[in-house]
Amino acid sequence: GAGVSQSPSNKVTEKGKDVELRCDPISGHTALYWYRQSLGQGLEFLIYFQGNSAPDKSGLPSDRFSAERTGGSVSTLTIQRTQQEDSAVYLCASSLDFGRAKNIQYFGAGTRLSVL
Amino acid sequence: AQKITQTQPGMFVQEKEAVTLDCTYDTSDPSYGLFWYKQPSSGEMIFLIYQGSYDQQNATEGRYSLNFQKARKSANLVISASQLGDSAMYFCAMRGPSGAGSYQLTFGKGTKLSVIP
Repeated sequence: GAGVSQSPSNKVTEKGKDVELRCDPISGHTALYWYRQSLGQGLEFLIYFQGNSAPDKSGLPSDRFSAERTGGSVSTLTIQRTQQEDSAVYLCASSLDFGRAKNIQYFGAGTRLSVL
Repeated sequence: AQKITQTQPGMFVQEKEAVTLDCTYDTSDPSYGLFWYKQPSSGEMIFLIYQGSYDQQNATEGRYSLNFQKARKSANLVISASQLGDSAMYFCAMRGPSGAGSYQLTFGKGTKLSVIP
């Protein structure tokens, strides 16, 4: 596609439920990133995928968060047993070549998650 | 550890005037990249401009230019001839040197720019 696509754009869920957020990166981009944007914490890195390598999960805030990337393309971020503090905008980005200094990450419009 | 500081929570500028958004950074790495993104109310982060730490000249992209002062560790964004569509949040971000563990962006808290007609 022309840009990074995220779905759903908005998600309202009840505390304790599981949610899945989807990201479809720009075609041909080998690197994919998830960030979280909240009022209190700003923009935080969550997880990074590069090709078929094992992902860097160092930014995930708890073991309730997990992500996978199938076939080196679409990624799903899963939050289990959601808590109110998980309410935020979840942004996905993709880039061409992580090894170069000028590595421009292109972002999607995000998924706004509200946990009631 | 890398840190980005944007000291202006909000800025106002008259349409057609120029505006400078401040960004200072802290890193011990000699090789790094600096980015500016625009986030309108729709939520999408739009890449504006990039400056590499070894670049000799200040980056320019249309109406956007970057005032890069390496010794002061500042990378201010200059928007010339402001337009109403420039009203948005603006984020300064940094990426570390190429290599494992340096791919993520570290963001500042942003500056909300409002263009007044």
